[in-house]
Amino acid sequence: QSALTQPASVSGSPGQSITISCTGTSSDIGGYNSVSWYQEHPGEAPKLIIYDVNNRPSGVSNRFSGSKSGNTASLTISGLQAEDEADYYCGSYTGFTTFYVFGSGTKVTVL
Amino acid sequence: QITLKESGPTLVKPTQTLTLTCTFSGFSLGSRGVGVGWIRQPPGKALECLALVFWDGDERFSRSLENRLTLAKDTSKNQVVLTMTDMDPVDTATYYCAHLQYFGWFFDSWGQGALVTVSS
Repeated sequence: QSALTQPASVSGSPGQSITISCTGTSSDIGGYNSVSWYQEHPGEAPKLIIYDVNNRPSGVSNRFSGSKSGNTASLTISGLQAEDEADYYCGSYTGFTTFYVFGSGTKVTVL
Repeated sequence: QITLKESGPTLVKPTQTLTLTCTFSGFSLGSRGVGVGWIRQPPGKALECLALVFWDGDERFSRSLENRLTLAKDTSKNQVVLTMTDMDPVDTATYYCAHLQYFGWFFDSWGQGALVTVSS
């Protein structure tokens, strides 16, 4: 199972909105509504920020939102802040045998 | 509150077997809908899901590594042990265990990670 495809880097100025794409296939993103997003700051463990395509865990800022169209999922960060500078990974259920795949990761830089 | 912590060697030699233990609290692996996963991340690279064990004893393994991986869960001790045979320098990575929400398929709590270096 190949990793989901994400852009290597995305940047934006404070206050702007940015969107990170995550492209898969009909066997993963396109086939299930089990897409999640994780934020990883350097030296820290990943943190869940979006699950089931567009749901936020308690305590996660509403500046983070998710969506899906076809085989591509997206994470939007609105009102970009310095603390949002991190690596972001998407993840998806892929079915009974291969079960789960992560994306290739996107580094977000706040200019 | 769910917590998980990985423990094991920080350095293994090529061809040796790696054994990592995930000790958790705040949930029971005997409860329906619960799973524990092992995920690794080589330095500067992406996350990779290695293996999952579920409340009912079912297990799933990465297809590319399934011949090298085994899992053992001890519900009474709140532990999951991952064993990976025939270690190679390319297996150098931070290894995480994480709590999986089976009904939704997402990892909502992660351990701090354990860096394992494979070198002679």
